[in-house]
Order: sequence, then C-alpha cells, then structure tokens
Amino acid sequence: QKEVEQDPGPLSVPEGAIVSLNCTYSNSAFQYFMWYRQYSRKGPELLMYTYSSGNKEDGRFTAQVDKSSKYISLFIRDSQPSDSATYLCAMRAGYSSASKIIFGSGTRLSIRP
Amino acid sequence: EAQVTQNPRYLITVTGKKLTVTCSQNMNHEYMSWYRQDPGLGLRQIYYSMNVEVTDKGDVPEGYKVSRKEKRNFPLILESPSPNQTSLYFCASSIIAPGRGNEQFFGPGTRLTVL
Repeated sequence: QKEVEQDPGPLSVPEGAIVSLNCTYSNSAFQYFMWYRQYSRKGPELLMYTYSSGNKEDGRFTAQVDKSSKYISLFIRDSQPSDSATYLCAMRAGYSSASKIIFGSGTRLSIRP
Repeated sequence: EAQVTQNPRYLITVTGKKLTVTCSQNMNHEYMSWYRQDPGLGLRQIYYSMNVEVTDKGDVPEGYKVSRKEKRNFPLILESPSPNQTSLYFCASSIIAPGRGNEQFFGPGTRLTVL
C-alpha cells in the first residue's frame, strides 16, 4: 500500500465550477501537508501548505486537512482554464524541513471554457 | 531571477553509455534533491543533499550517483544507464529551517530515454 494515495483522474469540469481534489494517507506521523501544481512540461510549484489539521484559504483555493480520517482536500472555486494542470499532494512528518516529502501521484485537471 | 536550472532538457541515449544531468540553483539553498517522475508512481526521491559534501539515498537510488562539491550544483550521474531509467527527472532545492522548507523549488525537468 502506498503511503499517499491520489486519484489520477483525469478530471474535467466546466469553467466556473468548484473543483475538489483529494488524497488519503496512511502514516499518522505526517504533520505538514502541501499541494503542488504542475503545468505541462514544467516542474511542480508549491500552491499551498498547511500544518496539522484545519483549513487554509488563499484566494480561490482552500486546503483542508482531516487528520482523524487521514484525508486532505484542495478546493478550487470559480475554476478557470488557467487552473488546468496536474495537482500533486505532498506531506512530511518531521519538523525539520530536511525530512522527506512524500508525493502523491497527481490528479490531472482540465477546466473546459 | 531565482531559479533551478537543469541540462539537458531532453536526452536520448543507449544502454551503458555514462551520462550526467546537471542541476544548479541560485538561491543559496542548503537542501537539494533529485526525483524521478513516472506515470502512476508520482515523484520518487533518488538522492538528496543537505549541504556541501553531504549526500544521502532516497527511495530509488540504485543505478544513480550524485555529488555536491559546491553549494549551487548537484549533478546526477548514471554510470551505466538501463532502459528502466527512462523517466522524467526533476532537481529541486529548498532552504533548511525549522518549520520551513515545505516549498521545494523545482527545475524544468529532464526527459531521459534509454534505448
């Protein structure tokens, strides 16, 4: 069983829709939870990160962490064609930034104009 | 501009022919790492380095070597490439600080094909 599971998609939604992306994990020691966005032919870039449980909002993006269920989500409101990309969840256990980050396999998202 | 650069971006080679993929960052980051990205498997760490002359294995180190002689450079060496090393490779860097370093800065990727 993988430490981090993520539905690969592809997920296709119309412009303006609310998008929900999710990951589950098995390691209860994970404390830091991240979402990276990867455009085609580019490297991943950090979108948001949260520490422990709770919600975090940044513009149209909201990250949620439910540690009791070992489940994290990324919501995108008013989705735009420019949001079309692969979204990777990532997480790590240690307080030190040098502790290993485990990535999900990514969900490919397409926003239809 | 703060960035991580990789070269080459695309490479087609044959089994057994030694190759090096270079990685350089201009952000004075202590931490550097190499990943490979394969469909359905996500990003898997090959090697990482926490500072000059300090390197360690990641999850899939077999068949790879690295060195960190300078802070800005972290080359990935394939001494004898095999077809199962055909993949998309990313170099990344980040700072090392308590509670920080969640943001890894990634290079543009190197697509390697081993025939």
